[in-house]
Amino acid sequence: QKEVEQNSGPLSVPEGAIASLNCTYSDRGSQSFFWYRQYSGKSPELIMSIYSNGDKEDGRFTAQLNKASQYVSLLIRDSQPSDSATYLCAVRRYNFNKFYFGSGTKLNVKP
Amino acid sequence: GAGVSQSPSNKVTEKGKDVELRCDPISGHTALYWYRQSLGQGLEFLIYFQGNSAPDKSGLPSDRFSAERTGGSVSTLTIQRTQQEDSAVYLCASSLRVQNNYGYTFGSGTRLTVV
Repeated sequence: QKEVEQNSGPLSVPEGAIASLNCTYSDRGSQSFFWYRQYSGKSPELIMSIYSNGDKEDGRFTAQLNKASQYVSLLIRDSQPSDSATYLCAVRRYNFNKFYFGSGTKLNVKP
Repeated sequence: GAGVSQSPSNKVTEKGKDVELRCDPISGHTALYWYRQSLGQGLEFLIYFQGNSAPDKSGLPSDRFSAERTGGSVSTLTIQRTQQEDSAVYLCASSLRVQNNYGYTFGSGTRLTVV
């Protein structure tokens, strides 16, 4: 079983819609969760972090964490074509110094 | 520096040759990580440095891979006797400290092609 699982997609949404990206993780001891965006041919860039159960909002982005279900999601409201990228979920386990990355979900926002 | 700097940005090498990849982390970042990303794949952890502590080498795929970090700053990843399966983008990242909730900042990567 992989540490972090994501649907590879592609997930296609029309411009202006809400894009919902999901991630599950295997270790209940995980404590920090991150979403990275990676444009084609570029390196990942951090867009959201979340540590507590519930929602965390930052502009058009909302991260949701449910530790009981070992599930973290990223919602992108009012999706724009510029949001088209691969979104990587990363998890840090308690007392581990490295992050475990999912393989990413490719998002296509159609004008 | 302002960001994580990696060099070279691209490297084409012949099978069997050795290569060195360089990473200069953000000033003041004590933790440094190497990952690699093969085409269409996720990030694979290679090695992690924190200050003067012994590095976590648990992700290195074979003994052909090694890395060092001098003076707690610049790091070099060395691949000896390169093989075609070593072709990937090698990403370096740094973060403020070990038990961090700050996430990584990645460099722009070195694209290695072994022919």
